[in-house]
Amino acid sequence: GESVGLHLPTLSVQEGDNSIINCAYSNSASDYFIWYKQESGKGPQFIIDIRSNMDKRQGQRVTVLLNKTVKHLSLQIAATQPGDSAVYFCAEQFTGANSKLTFGKGITLSVRP
Amino acid sequence: DGGITQSPKYLFRKEGQNVTLSCEQNLNHDAMYWYRQDPGQGLRLIYYSQIVNDFQKGDIAEGYSVSREKKESFPLTVTSAQKNPTAFYLCASSTGLSEQFFGPGTRLTVL
Repeated sequence: GESVGLHLPTLSVQEGDNSIINCAYSNSASDYFIWYKQESGKGPQFIIDIRSNMDKRQGQRVTVLLNKTVKHLSLQIAATQPGDSAVYFCAEQFTGANSKLTFGKGITLSVRP
Repeated sequence: DGGITQSPKYLFRKEGQNVTLSCEQNLNHDAMYWYRQDPGQGLRLIYYSQIVNDFQKGDIAEGYSVSREKKESFPLTVTSAQKNPTAFYLCASSTGLSEQFFGPGTRLTVL
């Protein structure tokens, strides 16, 4: 029979615009957060991270914002380019003993030329 | 170059066969991880190891086995007990207190 896969939510933006990708995390004890980018058929690639003692961190063209009050994480990409098209995952971790990353389900970013 | 490698890139298995996926890292990382990814979904943790000769089950360990005899290597065996093994398998490593570095993945297909 035919199988139907789940579809990730998609964010479509115009090339050159800024993108904002949002993520709600689940564990209030999490103290370390990461954004990954995954291109089709490849492994996830680290973009930027932030620890819970910060609420903002900037990289090259990317900014991560952390709001611990509402357990919300966002990734802002400035001047979005076609090469930014990918699936983006947020991940959270409580860096205690036997800690492990918990990944969100992912969001597809599609950049229109 | 330092990095994490997985082999093979594509793997085909007949039903009832065990297969082993290779993962090697030269980053001197203590911790290594195996994830499974199904189409359109996130990553689910199969097994992880924080130190040589020790490993723990993740969220979906049934039908899988691992070993960690060397710091550099963390092979994953997909056994015949895994009822739906077709997926994209990702290996990662980390120092344990920072980001995980991922390999390129192995796509396993059951014929």
